[in-house]
Amino acid sequence: QKEVEQDPGPLSVPEGAIVSLNCTYSNSAFQYFMWYRQYSRKGPELLMYTYSSGNKEDGRFTAQVDKSSKYISLFIRDSQPSDSATYLCAMRPGNFNKFYFGSGTKLNVKP
Amino acid sequence: SQTIHQWPATLVQPVGSPLSLECTVEGTSNPNLYWYRQAAGRGLQLLFYSVGIGQISSEVPQNLSASRPQDRQFILSSKKLLLSDSGFYLCAWSVRRGLSTDTQYFGPGTRLTVL
Repeated sequence: QKEVEQDPGPLSVPEGAIVSLNCTYSNSAFQYFMWYRQYSRKGPELLMYTYSSGNKEDGRFTAQVDKSSKYISLFIRDSQPSDSATYLCAMRPGNFNKFYFGSGTKLNVKP
Repeated sequence: SQTIHQWPATLVQPVGSPLSLECTVEGTSNPNLYWYRQAAGRGLQLLFYSVGIGQISSEVPQNLSASRPQDRQFILSSKKLLLSDSGFYLCAWSVRRGLSTDTQYFGPGTRLTVL
């Protein structure tokens, strides 16, 4: 079993829709959680970085962490065609230098 | 501000040839450095990470090696490339926080095709 599971998609939504992207994990030691956006043939770009449980909002993006369920989410409001990309979740335990990644969800926002 | 560079951006190499990919970070000191490989349509596979000059941790046994000759320079090498070495190679850095680290930032990547 992978430590981090992420639905590969693709997920196709109309412009303006609310998008929900999710990851589940098995290691209860994970404390730091990240979401990256990766455009085709580019390096991943950090979108959100959260610690432990709770919500964090940045513009149209909201990250949620539910440690009791071992489940994290990224919500994108008012989605735009420019949001079309692959979204990677990542996480790591405290006092640890390694990061664990999901396989990525490909999102397509149709104009 | 911090910047991470990788070169070359694209590389086509024959099977059995050597490889050297370079990564440098600007604007920070003492970073943790990482090499990942991303196969087409797949997630990131951690290859190596380094917490300091000359300190390399290998995650996957393979024909690749890494070196960190300077604080902000990380090199990925191979003596003989295999077809299975094709992929998108990403370098990343993070700020060291005591025994742990901050989040990671990625470079633009090198697309390697082995023929």
